[in-house]
Amino acid sequence: NAGVTQTPKFQVLKTGQSMTLQCAQDMNHNSMYWYRQDPGMGLRLIYYSASEGTTDKGEVPNGYNVSRLNKREFSLRLESAAPSQTSVYFCASNRNAEAFFGQGTRLTVV
Amino acid sequence: GNSVTQMEGPVTLSEEAFLTINCTYTATGYPSLFWYVQYPGEGLQLLLKATKADDKGSNKGFEATYRKETTSFHLEKGSVQVSDSAVYFCARYGGATNKLIFGTGTLLAVQP
Repeated sequence: NAGVTQTPKFQVLKTGQSMTLQCAQDMNHNSMYWYRQDPGMGLRLIYYSASEGTTDKGEVPNGYNVSRLNKREFSLRLESAAPSQTSVYFCASNRNAEAFFGQGTRLTVV
Repeated sequence: GNSVTQMEGPVTLSEEAFLTINCTYTATGYPSLFWYVQYPGEGLQLLLKATKADDKGSNKGFEATYRKETTSFHLEKGSVQVSDSAVYFCARYGGATNKLIFGTGTLLAVQP
């Protein structure tokens, strides 16, 4: 079982560049989430999707967009990257309130 | 709102010491409560959970009891090992929201 797969694992962007973080789960879960992890801040929810076709803002949505392409895939897009978006990003899916996490994407914006 | 507050780290213990990491939640609805663990360089993994008041979650020697009267879900282990060194996150799900909300994490360092 692959579980939750995120790509890429590492990325360096220049300020103003755009990119999309990909996430896919093979567990047929309805709910999917994007978090960012920063030192001393824990995990902060960026966006979540309770089901295919729906998305909602989390705690820190500014500067991000998401797409729930289908039940399996939930992508996170940075339209114009800023140094404040340097972080580790985690995708998760959820079944019966138990979350399964990907391995993370370490993003650096210079 | 829906939030989780956990004690700041780092927590440094000697092997076989008793561990407590405090966690409290805002009492909005009746959420499920969780402890997740993150080992270096990895994503989070579920450690234990409790879905209603007075439930006790347990796994790998760790325990936490859902205390509605004190809105707490403190993590305990009687005798920690070096291999328990990791970051521990308290989390809540449900109640008035279907968001999964995490605390800030507590780094545990166990020394031999």
